[in-house]
Amino acid sequence: NAGVTQTPKFRILKIGQSMTLQCTQDMNHNYMYWYRQDPGMGLKLIYYSVGAGITDKGEVPNGYNVSRSTTEDFPLRLELAAPSQTSVYFCASTYTDTQYFGPGTRLTVL
Amino acid sequence: AQSVTQLDSHVSVSEGTPVLLRCNYSSSYSPSLFWYVQHPNKGLQLLLKYTSAATLVKGINGFEAEFKKSETSFHLTKPSAHMSDAAEYFCVVSGIGNEKLTFGTGTRLTIIP
Repeated sequence: NAGVTQTPKFRILKIGQSMTLQCTQDMNHNYMYWYRQDPGMGLKLIYYSVGAGITDKGEVPNGYNVSRSTTEDFPLRLELAAPSQTSVYFCASTYTDTQYFGPGTRLTVL
Repeated sequence: AQSVTQLDSHVSVSEGTPVLLRCNYSSSYSPSLFWYVQHPNKGLQLLLKYTSAATLVKGINGFEAEFKKSETSFHLTKPSAHMSDAAEYFCVVSGIGNEKLTFGTGTRLTIIP
């Protein structure tokens, strides 16, 4: 099993550009999550999904959108990038009460 | 609602000496509690978890934590620090149904040779 994979690893965006962060898990987990991690802070929940076709907002959803058309994939969309979205983004999936994290995407918005 | 407070943002210990990373939690129900470790430029890895079974929980790499309800604490310990333990450690509490996690702000552990 590859576990949770994320692409890209790094990305630099200009203000106003759009992009999609990809997340895939091969463990057949129903629950999936997107977090952002800012320097010196813990992880903040952006969006989560309890299964294909079902998503819900987390603590910091503004500026982001998600979709969940399959169990495996949970992409995160940034429509109009802003400097405040400079962060490291982690995708995770859950089995019982344990979350499995991807390696992260480091995003810089200039 | 639940919250978690990590009492030290940075801890430095010498190699071979004990490690103590402190965590207090707040929850209106019986929570599940976790410690995750993040090595530089890596994702988070589960160290150990408490889910209302034994109050002393053993994890990977010699770490353990004790759940103390009366003190609302879940401190992480290790008897002897190793250089490879240098990392960021996060204390985490789960919400009802374990759907959502609330993360502490992290403790950076530095090991002095």
